[in-house]
Amino acid sequence: EVQLVESGGDLVQPGGSLRLSCAASGFTFSYYWMHWVRQGPGKGLVWVSRIKGDGSDTKYADFVKGRFTISRDNAKNTLYLQMNSLRAEDTAVYYCVRDGHRYNFDYWGQGTLATVSS
Amino acid sequence: QSALTQPASVSGSPGQSITISCTGTSSDIGAYNRVSWYQQHPGKAPEMMIYEVSNRPSGVSTRFSGSKSGNTASLTISGLQAEDEADYYCSSYTTTNTLWVFGGGTKLTVL
Repeated sequence: EVQLVESGGDLVQPGGSLRLSCAASGFTFSYYWMHWVRQGPGKGLVWVSRIKGDGSDTKYADFVKGRFTISRDNAKNTLYLQMNSLRAEDTAVYYCVRDGHRYNFDYWGQGTLATVSS
Repeated sequence: QSALTQPASVSGSPGQSITISCTGTSSDIGAYNRVSWYQQHPGKAPEMMIYEVSNRPSGVSTRFSGSKSGNTASLTISGLQAEDEADYYCSSYTTTNTLWVFGGGTKLTVL
């Protein structure tokens, strides 16, 4: 059974940093691209970032470029999102999502809430 | 403002069929057959219902179907059931820097 379990969400002040983690199990982690997708309070889904299976290539939405870094440790079956220079508008539930080999999002974690507020 | 346009809400009675539209551009829906649909119940994570325009993942009811014409994709749910009441999001891969875009979501109410 595919499982994605996020952690690391917290309350942080504007300008601060957070590191989100996602522990994957039930599949060969290194074979799959992985994404982070976020959802603001009462809002819709927004794609944030993607990393290829071997970590060789990363992509970001324009609104996080230069502030967020996606990475992975295939030996630990874990995906990360380092978030720096956080803003109030980054407040959201962040979902760890597997790419189903067809540019879609086939499995989602339960999400972790990052709140940016003073 | 979301990149893909969906109606904010739709409704239907049990047993009826409804269709949710998702309108994009020639840079996303019109460019690829990489349209997918997600169901999200309150407080839960989204679940993929349709991928590559019209394919159903294993375990998804045959009551769910997808299609595309030009820059608009559609999700049809037939034989509405109370458990179908949820938010539905479309998504597409794009040719732009954004790479993946979502619709703003449609709230389905089963009357």
